[in-house]
Amino acid sequence: DAGVIQSPRHEVTEMGQEVTLRCKPISGHNSLFWYRQTMMRGLELLIYFNNNVPIDDSGMPEDRFSAKMPNASFSTLKIQPSEPRDSAVYFCASRQGSKSYEQYFGPGTRLTVT
Amino acid sequence: GNSVTQMEGPVTLSEEAFLTINCTYTATGYPSLFWYVQYPGEGLQLLLKATKADDKGSNKGFEATYRKETTSFHLEKGSVQVSDSAVYFCALSGEGRGSTLGRLYFGRGTQLTVWP
Repeated sequence: DAGVIQSPRHEVTEMGQEVTLRCKPISGHNSLFWYRQTMMRGLELLIYFNNNVPIDDSGMPEDRFSAKMPNASFSTLKIQPSEPRDSAVYFCASRQGSKSYEQYFGPGTRLTVT
Repeated sequence: GNSVTQMEGPVTLSEEAFLTINCTYTATGYPSLFWYVQYPGEGLQLLLKATKADDKGSNKGFEATYRKETTSFHLEKGSVQVSDSAVYFCALSGEGRGSTLGRLYFGRGTQLTVWP
């Protein structure tokens, strides 16, 4: 079975450019989470969706960050304009149902902004 | 509120040594507790979980017991292997209303390195 799929796996971009990260959750999962991982701040929840609806976006750093989930099988995280401090590994995770709290993580996208 | 505190690393052990990684939590309600593991270059994977007090989660030789009286969920393994080298995260489930329900609260992670 396919797990959570993220693309690209690595992204290197220049400051000021737009970056779009993509995630395909596990089929049948109805919750999706975006995390950011850095050495300084550890693992941070940015936003999560239930049934394609954003539930909590309080972790989104600022207006430069936006996330969408147009359907149950696809989500994007966009940074515009990007800054060097956005360099991190971004993870997407999905979960099935409301009674199980297990989250399944993708392999992550390593973003480097120069 | 909900939060997890786990021992800071890094932890360095020789193969076959005993491992303990401490985890304590603060939570609203009766959360489920988890240990996730992250191998180099990969995403987090669920290692084990416990859903109620006194439950013991176990997997791959790792164990953790949900202790409500001490609000702890310490991870243990009797004999570690080089392949256990990874970052270990303790987490709890949000049980409150609204946006806390359904999300996981993670600790900072503990880096474990096992030498042959």
